[in-house]
Amino acid sequence: SAVISQKPSRDICQRGTSLTIQCQVDSQVTMMFWYRQQPGQSLTLIATANQGSEATYESGFVIDKFPISRPNLTFSTLTVSNMSPEDSSIYLCSVGGGSKDTGELFFGEGSRLTVL
Amino acid sequence: AQSVTQLGSHVSVSEGALVLLRCNYSSSVPPYLFWYVQYPNQGLQLLLKYTSAATLVKGINGFEAEFKKSETSFHLTKPSAHMSDAAEYFCAVSDRGNKLVFGAGTILRVKS
Repeated sequence: SAVISQKPSRDICQRGTSLTIQCQVDSQVTMMFWYRQQPGQSLTLIATANQGSEATYESGFVIDKFPISRPNLTFSTLTVSNMSPEDSSIYLCSVGGGSKDTGELFFGEGSRLTVL
Repeated sequence: AQSVTQLGSHVSVSEGALVLLRCNYSSSVPPYLFWYVQYPNQGLQLLLKYTSAATLVKGINGFEAEFKKSETSFHLTKPSAHMSDAAEYFCAVSDRGNKLVFGAGTILRVKS
């Protein structure tokens, strides 16, 4: 399984500011996934990030709010822009693991954002 | 579209008792199914997965789950709960595209 490191692990941010979350993987991966976990809720996929192409966003998420970079096969960033208290969540980076076909994901520890 | 329903947002068991966490899925294709555990202030850890081989799947920490196609279920069990099992558990379904859909989660409390 891949080892995934996320920075920051937690942060407290002011309304209207932006924060960039970094995700580093210890091996090369084709696809990286960004999930959001709002307080007391399940995980929702924000977008899929492939190296060398635009990220693919899920319904309800837009690039202007959550720009993603994927400069190489081991690194990605997610920016939460113009934050409001509703953006207070855990943001998780994940990558596929095991056999290409089995579909499981491995997750980082998450970045816990609190927006005041 | 795929979906996952976890029955019971909170489950409480005594230490040593059977753990049963319920998961039902909806999928238009034979699914891959997963159980993840999330300990406080940590990310998600894969417990076990079903990928169309054996219907009874054994995972880490003594957990297992049985895929029942007729019931569209993938319930998670453990014969004897331990205090360290207290965590939140998520069931997830995939149609093989690495795009997982998660259930709402079940918080397991273990009483001493």
